[in-house]
Amino acid sequence: GAVVSQHPSRVICKSGTSVKIECRSLDFQATTMFWYRQFPKQSLMLMATSNEGSKATYEQGVEKDKFLINHASLTLSTLTVTSAHPEDSSFYICSALRGSQVDEQFFGPGTRLTVL
Amino acid sequence: KQEVTQIPAALSVPEGENLVLNCSFTDSAIYNLQWFRQDPGKGLTSLLLIQSSQREQTSGRLNASLDKSSGRSTLYIAASQPGDSATYLCAVMTTDSWGKFQFGAGTQVVVTP
Repeated sequence: GAVVSQHPSRVICKSGTSVKIECRSLDFQATTMFWYRQFPKQSLMLMATSNEGSKATYEQGVEKDKFLINHASLTLSTLTVTSAHPEDSSFYICSALRGSQVDEQFFGPGTRLTVL
Repeated sequence: KQEVTQIPAALSVPEGENLVLNCSFTDSAIYNLQWFRQDPGKGLTSLLLIQSSQREQTSGRLNASLDKSSGRSTLYIAASQPGDSATYLCAVMTTDSWGKFQFGAGTQVVVTP
């Protein structure tokens, strides 16, 4: 149990377009999900906290109008990169908390975004 | 702000040797510390989770220690195998950042046959 999926696993888009990435908890409910970004050869950086039924909380320096997060159900959070540019190319990973237990946090397999 | 440092950045050992990976953090007010493995282009695999009240955790060939007072954790991998080749990430959750991990930059490990 405790599987988190992401879709798509890879996406290539043209500069200026928008891309939506889905994060799903397959076998548990997740009130809270987190979105991380990882640039090549660098570590994961937290972008935002996604809470079901409420607005996401963004980390300092993350543009909330560029990275739209919607957590519409207890099993799905989406990250939309709007008007993507080459500098947005990165590896995006989500994690989901099972219930309210911070120790019960499970990571998705990641989405590789390439903006041409 | 919590800062997590991993040394060395890269490590190459012959098969059979023990691996010692280090992680240091600046804020000792942690909730837990977790070690992950990441294969190239892949997501994270959780290896060991240590609660702030614990000194160590063990799973098979893996052992992780935690010394909160000195802000350090060490991951030991006994009798390394080529399949252990990956990047190992240390992540710290502080008490004032519920659910949020601060990651180190990782140690890239290569185990040669």
